[in-house]
Amino acid sequence: GNSVTQMEGPVTLSEEAFLTINCTYTATGYPSLFWYVQYPGEGLQLLLKATKADDKGSNKGFEATYRKETTSFHLEKGSVQVSDSAVYFCALGPKAAGNKLTFGGGTRVLVKP
Amino acid sequence: DTAVSQTPKYLVTQMGNDKSIKCEQNLGHDTMYWYKQDSKKFLKIMFSYNNKELIINETVPNRFSPKSPDKAHLNLHINSLELGDSAVYFCASSQASGTEGYTFGSGTRLTVV
Repeated sequence: GNSVTQMEGPVTLSEEAFLTINCTYTATGYPSLFWYVQYPGEGLQLLLKATKADDKGSNKGFEATYRKETTSFHLEKGSVQVSDSAVYFCALGPKAAGNKLTFGGGTRVLVKP
Repeated sequence: DTAVSQTPKYLVTQMGNDKSIKCEQNLGHDTMYWYKQDSKKFLKIMFSYNNKELIINETVPNRFSPKSPDKAHLNLHINSLELGDSAVYFCASSQASGTEGYTFGSGTRLTVV
């Protein structure tokens, strides 16, 4: 079955540091891949997505590239801010109507001033 | 305008009670979902409905019963609440295929005492 593995946190960084959160997946075919972000006390927000191999998703300074050969979708940001402190979820898209989005376990990121 | 709205945001109740959580989406999506997030932030699918038809019914106690009166609504009723039901419950919706990702509500924090 489908599965997503992402690095465990918490990841603690200083402001302006480089952030990488690793995500690898197991799936048949070529599913869409997503990163969601959950700020404290809030729901999940779609951060970025990629629908096919070699696609790069980007938003708010974050980037992730769909790597079929390594089955990975690592999230990166060149210079984090305190406001980036959140839990980040990597997710594997469904293949049919109503099928589930498969989430990784989430990675908590804490950015200190 | 809130895209996916859940009510209530917080729910504190005693063991043994019956409670409902309501969810409505105004995005015109065909598919709606309920997810449970535990204290470690792990997200687990509970149910999905596509055009009012139940698609996913994961291993969830019979005390949990979803109801979808129309495409825009998916409510969750829980009977005989137990301490272990304490969690944050998220409603989400998507286009039929889900390949564009989900839109999540802001969550309902259920505390059973």
